[in-house]
Amino acid sequence: GESVGLHLPTLSVQEGDNSIINCAYSNSASDYFIWYKQESGKGPQFIIDIRSNMDKRQGQRVTVLLNKTVKHLSLQIAATQPGDSAVYFCAERDSRSSASKIIFGSGTRLSIRP
Amino acid sequence: ETGVTQTPRHLVMGMTNKKSLKCEQHLGHNAMYWYKQSAKKPLELMFVYSLEERVENNSVPSRFSPECPNSSHLFLHLHTLQPEDSALYLCASSQDREQANNYGYTFGSGTRLTVV
Repeated sequence: GESVGLHLPTLSVQEGDNSIINCAYSNSASDYFIWYKQESGKGPQFIIDIRSNMDKRQGQRVTVLLNKTVKHLSLQIAATQPGDSAVYFCAERDSRSSASKIIFGSGTRLSIRP
Repeated sequence: ETGVTQTPRHLVMGMTNKKSLKCEQHLGHNAMYWYKQSAKKPLELMFVYSLEERVENNSVPSRFSPECPNSSHLFLHLHTLQPEDSALYLCASSQDREQANNYGYTFGSGTRLTVV
């Protein structure tokens, strides 16, 4: 059976502070990037997306930054709350794919300290 | 409720059993996907259906058999599974890349499968 769990990178943040979750990608043909949040017992939930012709996009309490030069993506969460505790996945889509196929990263677990 | 519904939520099956997972979406999407999420690996794409035709199969063992009778329904038929197939099976839907500007997936809550 599965006795060894997947060791996700973990980020521990004080409640109220800002969180920054990072993601590196390697495919220079990726043209669309998405951040997902997965809470325990649920499927991944869309947070925010960004196209490759942009370098920043803001949502409600979240900001995604894209640096195509170094193939780096980050998710910033302002004023982190207990409800932000989850695993966060970055995902990318290859511009050459025939269908809307998205490849997911391994995820980062965000925990909130009271 | 995300608009993508998966049943059952939990399933325990023996290695000789045959069972099916069901996914249904009411979002008007025309592409549907099966992903496997296990403790040892990140999200693995299993099958992609776009406009009801299977466009991608990432070398998944034949003991997993997908079916997409229409754009709103997707099934995953299971038979003679192995214990290492125990995982969370996630269904997702989206608009095909030619149909919309937002290509993000909407996921269901998954079926937690345990093979004994």
